[in-house]
Amino acid sequence: KAGVTQTPRYLIKTRGQQVTLSCSPISGHRSVSWYQQTPGQGLQFLFEYFSETQRNKGNFPGRFSGRQFSNSRSEMNVSTLELGDSALYLCASRVAGGRTEAFFGQGTRLTVV
Amino acid sequence: AQSVTQLDSHVSVSEGTPVLLRCNYSSSYSPSLFWYVQHPNKGLQLLLKYTSAATLVKGINGFEAEFKKSETSFHLTKPSAHMSDAAEYFCVVTRANQAGTALIFGKGTTLSVSS
Repeated sequence: KAGVTQTPRYLIKTRGQQVTLSCSPISGHRSVSWYQQTPGQGLQFLFEYFSETQRNKGNFPGRFSGRQFSNSRSEMNVSTLELGDSALYLCASRVAGGRTEAFFGQGTRLTVV
Repeated sequence: AQSVTQLDSHVSVSEGTPVLLRCNYSSSYSPSLFWYVQHPNKGLQLLLKYTSAATLVKGINGFEAEFKKSETSFHLTKPSAHMSDAAEYFCVVTRANQAGTALIFGKGTTLSVSS
């Protein structure tokens, strides 16, 4: 069974640009969550999607958005990039919501210059 | 509100000696707790989970953790460290409400293993 796939693995963008990251969850998993990991703030929850609906959102500005497609694949978008957006972005896949365990992809390393 | 506190930011052990990574949690209801491991430049791998069944939970690679409600702790242990255990470890609690579910991560503990 294939794991969680995130693309691309690495990105370099310039301040002010926008970026789209992609996540394909494990087959049969309907919940996709996104997390930002930085050395200073650690791992922080961005948002959760379930059956194409955003169910939960963390404390991030509106520049961070996402969506989920009917095949459960998800994308997150960051507009007007800032230097502080440089981070590892991790996608987590779960069968459903609630207390089920999450399986993570390898992440996308975004560097904003 | 749910939160976790990892009591040590860095733990150093010798190969073959026991490992103890400490985690305290705060939760307004019976929590689900997890330990994840992250090797350099890798994603997170689930080590073990507690979801209100047995309080002693066994995970992969010889790790286990004990849920102690009276102490609000969920410490991770391994009897004998291996060089390949060197990584960062995260204690995680689930925050679930009407809005959905989120994982709340501790700050992480870096485990170093020397030969």
